[in-house]
Amino acid sequence: EPEVTQTPSHQVTQMGQEVILRCVPISNHLYFYWYRQILGQKVEFLVSFYNNEISEKSEIFDDQFSVERPDGSNFTLKIRSTKLEDSAMYFCASSGGGPWDEQFFGPGTRLTVL
Amino acid sequence: RKEVEQDPGPFNVPEGATVAFNCTYSNSASQSFFWYRQDCRKEPKLLMSVYSSGNEDGRFTAQLNRASQYISLLIRDSKLSDSATYLCVVNGHNTDKLIFGTGTRLQVFP
Repeated sequence: EPEVTQTPSHQVTQMGQEVILRCVPISNHLYFYWYRQILGQKVEFLVSFYNNEISEKSEIFDDQFSVERPDGSNFTLKIRSTKLEDSAMYFCASSGGGPWDEQFFGPGTRLTVL
Repeated sequence: RKEVEQDPGPFNVPEGATVAFNCTYSNSASQSFFWYRQDCRKEPKLLMSVYSSGNEDGRFTAQLNRASQYISLLIRDSKLSDSATYLCVVNGHNTDKLIFGTGTRLQVFP
């Protein structure tokens, strides 16, 4: 069964450093998303991406964040200068049937900022 | 009012029991509704979409009441493996972003 994959599974970084989180969505999907979940809290939307551009972003997704689809398979989230409060699980998701279709999540990257 | 509201639980039930979870949402323009399951420190996994006519998948039945902005999930014949957090999820207004509830924790004991 096709699935979303993410790397790395765990990233530890120092405050102020840049991190890139990588995702490979399900191959025939066209809609891509990043969500995050701070420990003990609910899953929160960060950004959606379609047709090589951002279609929507949340207030959390400020200038420190960017997304890119550098090739036909990868979808990346970059945080330019990490803060302590960026520590969270970051989930990539993809959807194939349309913007209101079911979204399938990857296993997540646990980001720890020290 | 929270966008998606759920009772956090925990619901502790014996194997074989029937358990029901409820959820309310605030945006009447929401168009898609889902139940996801999340195990500890894992990703949300789609359990089922929820349709106005109601839908059933094995031991799981989901119902949607648009007039009351209310979604339910019924689990029959609970198994130990059903122990998880159940997330009520809706999409936003004219948007495909998903809005998650805080989840309801279920613990099934032998």
